[in-house]
Amino acid sequence: AQSVSQHNHHVILSEAASLELGCNYSYGGTVNLFWYVQYPGQHLQLLLKYFSGDPLVKGIKGFEAEFIKSKFSFNLRKPSVQWSDTAEYFCAVNGPGGSYIPTFGRGTSLIVHP
Amino acid sequence: NAGVTQTPKFQVLKTGQSMTLQCAQDMNHEYMSWYRQDPGMGLRLIHYSVGAGITDQGEVPNGYNVSRSTTEDFPLRLLSAAPSQTSVYFCASTLDRDSGNTIYFGEGSWLTVV
Repeated sequence: AQSVSQHNHHVILSEAASLELGCNYSYGGTVNLFWYVQYPGQHLQLLLKYFSGDPLVKGIKGFEAEFIKSKFSFNLRKPSVQWSDTAEYFCAVNGPGGSYIPTFGRGTSLIVHP
Repeated sequence: NAGVTQTPKFQVLKTGQSMTLQCAQDMNHEYMSWYRQDPGMGLRLIHYSVGAGITDQGEVPNGYNVSRSTTEDFPLRLLSAAPSQTSVYFCASTLDRDSGNTIYFGEGSWLTVV
């Protein structure tokens, strides 16, 4: 079965700081990779996704992620965070390694101080 | 096109009661799944279905039952509610097993068992 590890459980930043959230997955074959965001009291929304092609993926709200196959990683980045980025972030993987039902990491809670 | 619709949004149950969380999607998606979200645990898969008439267990299936009589509907039944089932529940769907398909989430159901 696939597993997804998010190494940072809680991150606290000041506005304008740079952000990098780590995500590693276990399966070595072809996978689809996602980052989702959950704002307080809301459901999950897609930030960005990787299926194939350019390993550097750009998403909404200035977020990007880089797929590094050799490291089984899909880290999320943003050069300058805003207070409105305060949310919980989830990395997810689906693909033929386990099933096409996605597996999620435990999430990273990001708090951005104004 | 409503996407993934979950009802109810909020529910309080007494220990031992049973109830059904409804989930419907109008996108003709084959794959549907139920997750529960608990603080620090991320999203954990309860049950999933890869098509009408086919269901399987996820990571935390105990105390829950599902059926998939139609492509559109995937209800989750709590057989005898326990306080440990207090959680936020999300239904999700994705088109099929081909690469490149995004996961769509319902808005969540907040369940409290007292």
